[in-house]
Amino acid sequence: DTAVSQTPKYLVTQMGNDKSIKCEQNLGHDTMYWYKQDSKKFLKIMFSYNNKELIINETVPNRFSPKSPDKAHLNLHINSLELGDSAVYFCASSQGGLGSPLHFGNGTRLTVT
Amino acid sequence: AQKITQTQPGMFVQEKEAVTLDCTYDTSDPSYGLFWYKQPSSGEMIFLIYQGSYDQQNATEGRYSLNFQKARKSANLVISASQLGDSAMYFCALRFYGGATNKLIFGTGTLLAVQP
Repeated sequence: DTAVSQTPKYLVTQMGNDKSIKCEQNLGHDTMYWYKQDSKKFLKIMFSYNNKELIINETVPNRFSPKSPDKAHLNLHINSLELGDSAVYFCASSQGGLGSPLHFGNGTRLTVT
Repeated sequence: AQKITQTQPGMFVQEKEAVTLDCTYDTSDPSYGLFWYKQPSSGEMIFLIYQGSYDQQNATEGRYSLNFQKARKSANLVISASQLGDSAMYFCALRFYGGATNKLIFGTGTLLAVQP
C-alpha cells in the first residue's frame, strides 16, 4: 500500500502552460505539504495544509495554487509555467507534532521547456 | 531565525566502516525536533531517525545513531558498518514552531559514496 502517492511522476511542458500535480495520502494524517527540490537538491517548503486549511504559505509566486478538497488530498496547480519552475515537487504528510516525521511521496519531476 | 547547516557536500567511506555526517542547527526555541532523511539516486525521501530536543538519550535505529550535543547545537548522524546501498544524499532537518504551526526545514545535504 502506497502511503503518499503523487501523480504524475514526470511532467514535461512548455512555458506558459498550466499544469496540476495530485497527491493523496492514506496514513490518516492531518497535515499535508508541498516541497520544491531545486537542481542543487535543496528542499524548500512551499505550502502546508492542516485539515483542509492553509497554514503555511511561504513566499511562493501566486501562480502556484494549492487546493485540499479533504484532508487526504492536496493538489498543486501551476499557472503560466516558467523555466525556473523546473524542479522536483514533493508532497508529504504528517501528524502535527514536533516529533512526527514527514512521509514523502516519490516526487514529480517537472521540466519546463 | 532558525537555520540548519550541513558543511560536508560530499563524503567517501569504505564499505563496512562507520561514517559520521555533520549537522548543526540554530534555534532559540526550547522545543524542536531533528530528523535525518536519506535520498537515494532513485529520488524518494526516506525517514531515518528522529531526536527530540528534550530527549535525554541519543536516538538509535538499527545501524543509524544520532550523536546529539545540545549545547553545541549539533545532531550528527552516525552510520555503522556502511553498505553499498547507503550511497545516497543525506539531509538533516529541523522542525520547530513558526507562528501558528510548525515547520520542517532542511539542510543542503551531504552526498555519501560508499566504496567497495
